Amino acid sequence: QKEVEQNSGPLSVPEGAIASLNCTYSDRGSQSFFWYRQYSGKSPELIMFIYSNGDKEDGRFTAQLNKASQYVSLLIRDSQPSDSATYLCAVRMDSSYKLIFGSGTRLLVRP
Amino acid sequence: EPEVTQTPSHQVTQMGQEVILRCVPISNHLYFYWYRQILGQKVEFLVSFYNNEISEKSEIFDDQFSVERPDGSNFTLKIRSTKLEDSAMYFCASRGLAGATDTQYFGPGTRLTVL
Repeated sequence: QKEVEQNSGPLSVPEGAIASLNCTYSDRGSQSFFWYRQYSGKSPELIMFIYSNGDKEDGRFTAQLNKASQYVSLLIRDSQPSDSATYLCAVRMDSSYKLIFGSGTRLLVRP
Repeated sequence: EPEVTQTPSHQVTQMGQEVILRCVPISNHLYFYWYRQILGQKVEFLVSFYNNEISEKSEIFDDQFSVERPDGSNFTLKIRSTKLEDSAMYFCASRGLAGATDTQYFGPGTRLTVL
């Protein structure tokens, strides 16, 4: 069974701090990695994608991928209360275009 | 910015009834997906569709489910005889050409309630 694991949280950080969200995946053949943000009752909204080992930065967000450790993370700098949401890690495995989602980490940013 | 749209936003039905959930993918996208999310649970893949046929489906997508692209813009999910356990948010997603980014963009979802 191919799995994507996330700590369910909640992860509570003060406004302005760095939030660090982590995800591990079981299939070494995984090709593409995505972070989606989901507000309660809403649909997943793409934050970032990453394909290669290393860091990828987009504004306040940095995705980090380590394929050897089967680990992907998302850093949110200067966290804002509006960042409070559930962050979903999704993985696309080789030979398939379906996404396998983790259960999500709930982030709370305290004003 | 182009987006995926879904109708209705909320559908209430009686157990055993048929429902059709509708999606309009992003206009130049060629790959279409349905996912569902039972309250408090993970987003789960149901089916992918390309070139007017199913390219992949999950164990959830049994004979009660079907998908169709009846015209050039709509993509539908039909549940033939709904069960209580079909109550969930259903998300449509679409993706552009292979070789470009394989990012899937999600619609706002249809909340299906089976009574």
